[in-house]
Amino acid sequence: GQSLEQPSEVTAVEGAIVQINCTYQTSGFYGLSWYQQHDGGAPTFLSYNALDGLEETGRFSSFLSRSDSYGYLLLQELQMKDSASYFCAPSSGGSYIPTFGRGTSLIVHP
Amino acid sequence: DAGITQSPRYKITETGRQVTLMCHQTWSHSYMFWYRQDLGHGLRLIYYSAAADITDKGEVPDGYVVSRSKTENFPLTLESATRSQTSVYFCASNNPGQGANEQFFGPGTRLTVL
Repeated sequence: GQSLEQPSEVTAVEGAIVQINCTYQTSGFYGLSWYQQHDGGAPTFLSYNALDGLEETGRFSSFLSRSDSYGYLLLQELQMKDSASYFCAPSSGGSYIPTFGRGTSLIVHP
Repeated sequence: DAGITQSPRYKITETGRQVTLMCHQTWSHSYMFWYRQDLGHGLRLIYYSAAADITDKGEVPDGYVVSRSKTENFPLTLESATRSQTSVYFCASNNPGQGANEQFFGPGTRLTVL
């Protein structure tokens, strides 16, 4: 079957580093996407990993281990504006359609 | 304007009424999607379309109808709205399998069924 797990909530202070983990079981796994959604807004794409390893985009990095069915999103130098929900979304090679989990609510404190 | 738009942005209707939510994209993306988002459930796929005149069910299709006569439009119809369909609905589009497989989301429609 298919399953997707990520923490429901993470809190951190401004300037800190936070890691949001994601474990998945996806038939025919193709890649792992991450999306950010602020309250009242639409999801926006952050990053994508198709191969094992780390992808870095500014303050955000995303990691994938295909053998462990595991990935994480790393946010550095946290800012108040990073308070949002973060979704990991694995996709399968058959349809390339991502499956979104319940997301992780990140709360950044001053 | 370029991008993906949804209308209306807010809608209040009554149980049993028919409601159509509109989605329009200007990128000529082949794929379009409809999601609903409810507290505690994240984003759940209702229907998607791989091209004009090709649609397929997602995770939660019951009570919804879609059509795609033109590449740029993907309306979602609730034929007889129920209170359980109160939700925020997001439309998205992309060309899957290319690079980052990014989905582009519209601003959402907040639907309340009384």
